[in-house]
Amino acid sequence: GENVEQHPSTLSVQEGDSAVIKCTYSDSASNYFPWYKQELGKGPQLIIDIRSNVGEKKDQRIAVTLNKTAKHFSLHITETQPEDSAVYFCAASMAFSTDSWGKLQFGAGTQVVVTP
Amino acid sequence: NAGVTQTPKFQVLKTGQSMTLQCAQDMNHEYMSWYRQDPGMGLRLIHYSVGAGITDQGEVPNGYNVSRSTTEDFPLRLLSAAPSQTSVYFCASSQLGTHEQYFGPGTRLTVT
Repeated sequence: GENVEQHPSTLSVQEGDSAVIKCTYSDSASNYFPWYKQELGKGPQLIIDIRSNVGEKKDQRIAVTLNKTAKHFSLHITETQPEDSAVYFCAASMAFSTDSWGKLQFGAGTQVVVTP
Repeated sequence: NAGVTQTPKFQVLKTGQSMTLQCAQDMNHEYMSWYRQDPGMGLRLIHYSVGAGITDQGEVPNGYNVSRSTTEDFPLRLLSAAPSQTSVYFCASSQLGTHEQYFGPGTRLTVT
């Protein structure tokens, strides 16, 4: 089955700096890669996602890049703010397979701390 | 729209006890799922359902039962609680054909 590794496990950045979180996946059939943000005491919330036919996607201060050959994808947060402090999870799935639809394989998570 | 709701927020059980974690959504989503979250392990899929009357196993189904009698509700039953089931449990839902999953606020379960 799919295995997703996420690094680093913790990331401390100064406000205004950039943060990068990297994930690798094992199954080349995976074709959907979402990123979820989990604030303290809450459930995860989707912040951005990318499909395997796209190399990069941007939404304001966040961007995701995907390298299918190397089987890795990354989350980039620019101009970090204190409200970006949270746990971020990457995930992978074979979203367009009827057997695997909705089955997300999550990474272990990255605790991001933005210090003023 | 309340979204996805879960009850209770916290629960302490003794080994061998049974209980049901409740999950409900008011978005008319066909797909619902249960995950458990453990430190350093991300979220792991327990069971899922693509519609009323249809359920299937995820990655870690042992010790858990589910049923889906209505579109709105997807309860998770622990038949005989074990300390290894100490975890935070999240319910999620999404619309078939889309991929964004909406998560509930979670239930923190401790089994002693």
